[in-house]
Amino acid sequence: EAGVAQSPRYKIIEKRQSVAFWCNPISGHATLYWYQQILGQGPKLLIQFQNNGVVDDSQLPKDRFSAERLKGVDSTLKIQPAKLEDSAVYLCASSLVGNLNTEAFFGQGTRLTVV
Amino acid sequence: GNSVTQMEGPVTLSEEAFLTINCTYTATGYPSLFWYVQYPGEGLQLLLKATKADDKGSNKGFEATYRKETTSFHLEKGSVQVSDSAVYFCALTVYNTDKLIFGTGTRLQVFP
Repeated sequence: EAGVAQSPRYKIIEKRQSVAFWCNPISGHATLYWYQQILGQGPKLLIQFQNNGVVDDSQLPKDRFSAERLKGVDSTLKIQPAKLEDSAVYLCASSLVGNLNTEAFFGQGTRLTVV
Repeated sequence: GNSVTQMEGPVTLSEEAFLTINCTYTATGYPSLFWYVQYPGEGLQLLLKATKADDKGSNKGFEATYRKETTSFHLEKGSVQVSDSAVYFCALTVYNTDKLIFGTGTRLQVFP
């Protein structure tokens, strides 16, 4: 079974530029998460989708971050414009819907460096 | 609110030593509790979980018991190996949702 795929693995951009990350969840997983993991910290949930609807985006900085999950499968996370403090690893995860105790499967993440 | 607090690392041990990594939580309702592990260069993966009070999750020699009275889910292993060196994250799912909240992580370093 293929895992959660993310691209790119690494990205370096200058502040005020824009960047996009892509995630392909495990086939059949309706729930998709984007997390931000700053060095030395635990993952922080940015946004959670169920199919193509947003379940929780309370911690998404909506003035610069946006995410979509068209057709309820792949998802993209965009930052525009980027700030230095956005430097982090962006993790995508997916899980089956309807099972509250199910495991979330994580991709390897995209390491973003803003200079 | 819902949150997870872990002991700060790094935890440094010799091979075959006993491991405890403390985790306590604050939650509304009855969360499920998880330990995830992140090996160097790899993504997060589930190590073990417990879904109700007094449940014990176990995997690869690691154990954790869901203690409602102390709101804790401490991770233990009787004899660690060098290959256990990783960052360990305690997490919970908010009651009646599948929203997953993580602690800050604890780095474990095991030396031969």
